[in-house]
Amino acid sequence: SQQGEEDPQALSIQEGENATMNCSYKTSINNLQWYRQNSGRGLVHLILIRSNEREKHSGRLRVTLDTSKKSSSLLITASRAADTASYFCATDGRGNQFYFGTGTSLTVIP
Amino acid sequence: NAGVTQTPKFQVLKTGQSMTLQCAQDMNHEYMSWYRQDPGMGLRLIHYSVGAGITDQGEVPNGYNVSRSTTEDFPLRLLSAAPSQTSVYFCASSRAGEVRGSPLHFGNGTRLTVT
Repeated sequence: SQQGEEDPQALSIQEGENATMNCSYKTSINNLQWYRQNSGRGLVHLILIRSNEREKHSGRLRVTLDTSKKSSSLLITASRAADTASYFCATDGRGNQFYFGTGTSLTVIP
Repeated sequence: NAGVTQTPKFQVLKTGQSMTLQCAQDMNHEYMSWYRQDPGMGLRLIHYSVGAGITDQGEVPNGYNVSRSTTEDFPLRLLSAAPSQTSVYFCASSRAGEVRGSPLHFGNGTRLTVT
C-alpha cells in the first residue's frame, strides 16, 4: 500500500497551545495535501504543498515537506476548541489516485 | 451550491442484498471517486472516474461496481453485500486537468451496515 501514516494517532492539548502532527509516506509524490474531518462529516481540504515547496502557510496552519525523508508536518498555532477533529494527509500516487493516511485525532480542551 | 451530495445517509442491508449508493456533484468536476473509511485504516480508494464513460479501479475494488454516464453522477453499486463491506463510504470530486494538484471535495458520507 502507498498509504501514508500520521503520527501521533491521538493528541490532546489545551486551548491556545500549538498542535503538531506528522505524516510519513512511502513513494515519491507531486503534491501532499492535508484534510480535516469533523465527527460524522466528510473531509475538508486545508492546504496543499507541492513537492518543490518546503513550507507553506495558511492562516494558523503551517505545513512543511521534506521529500528526502518522505515526511510532512502540520502545525496548528494557537489552537481553539473548534479545531477538535481528525486530520489526514493525502498523497498523489499512480495515475489519478490519492492515498490517505490513517489520521491524527486532535482534541483541544477549552 | 450543494457541492457533493450523497444519499442515503444511513443504510442497513442483509448479507446478499444489493444496493446503490448515490453521489452527485454540481461543480462540473470531471474527477469523481469513492472511498471507504474503516477504523484504523484511514480512507481507501474503491473506484474513480476522470470523466463520463471512464472508470478505473482503486485499492479495494472487489465487490463494488461503478459507472459514469454523466459528469454529475457517480453511483456505487454493491451487487451482493457482505459484512466486510460494513463501513462509511465517501464520494469525492475534483477538477480534471490538474487532478493531482486539486483539492478533493467530499460528501458527508453514507454509513452502511451489513448484517
